[in-house]
Amino acid sequence: AQTVTQSQPEMSVQEAETVTLSCTYDTSENNYYLFWYKQPPSRQMILVIRQEAYKQQNATENRFSVNFQKAAKSFSLKISDSQLGDTAMYFCACTNSNYQLIWGAGTKLIIKP
Amino acid sequence: DGGITQSPKYLFRKEGQNVTLSCEQNLNHDAMYWYRQDPGQGLRLIYYSQIVNDFQKGDIAEGYSVSREKKESFPLTVTSAQKNPTAFYLCASSTAYEQYFGPGTRLTVT
Repeated sequence: AQTVTQSQPEMSVQEAETVTLSCTYDTSENNYYLFWYKQPPSRQMILVIRQEAYKQQNATENRFSVNFQKAAKSFSLKISDSQLGDTAMYFCACTNSNYQLIWGAGTKLIIKP
Repeated sequence: DGGITQSPKYLFRKEGQNVTLSCEQNLNHDAMYWYRQDPGQGLRLIYYSQIVNDFQKGDIAEGYSVSREKKESFPLTVTSAQKNPTAFYLCASSTAYEQYFGPGTRLTVT
């Protein structure tokens, strides 16, 4: 069965620092998509960034970027110049053969002023 | 504004009562999903629907039921058979692979 593993239950960094959240996944699919979602205290689930597995280039969205290592099945999220508003749960997810999402357990990120 | 709405935000029910959670989307998405989230945990799939009048069970469908009579609407009924219904429920809709979420409903059953 497909699995997504986030090995860091909680992390905290100072405002303006850079932080990297880890995610590994297990899939036998050749074509799949990877996502990072953010869930702030409001509990609204917000899409942060998306990576297509067939693309070698790492996705970036402003201060958010990923390090996609397909052979290692690793998909880490880097947040640069962290802000207080980045405080949230971050979930990594991978599509299965039916394009449903398989979710990691989440990493709680705290940005300290 | 395009988006997904869930109502109500907070819902309280007595044990033994069925309760229906609303989910509406105006994104013209074909697929819709219901997830359950318990404290400190990730999302677990309850039901999903890829087209109108069709839906499939997810990983934790027992004690839940859904309908998909319209493309825009995918209500979830939490029945009295669900042994531990208190949780946060999230509805999503999607294009082929990218899911967008509603604000969620917090259900408390006492």
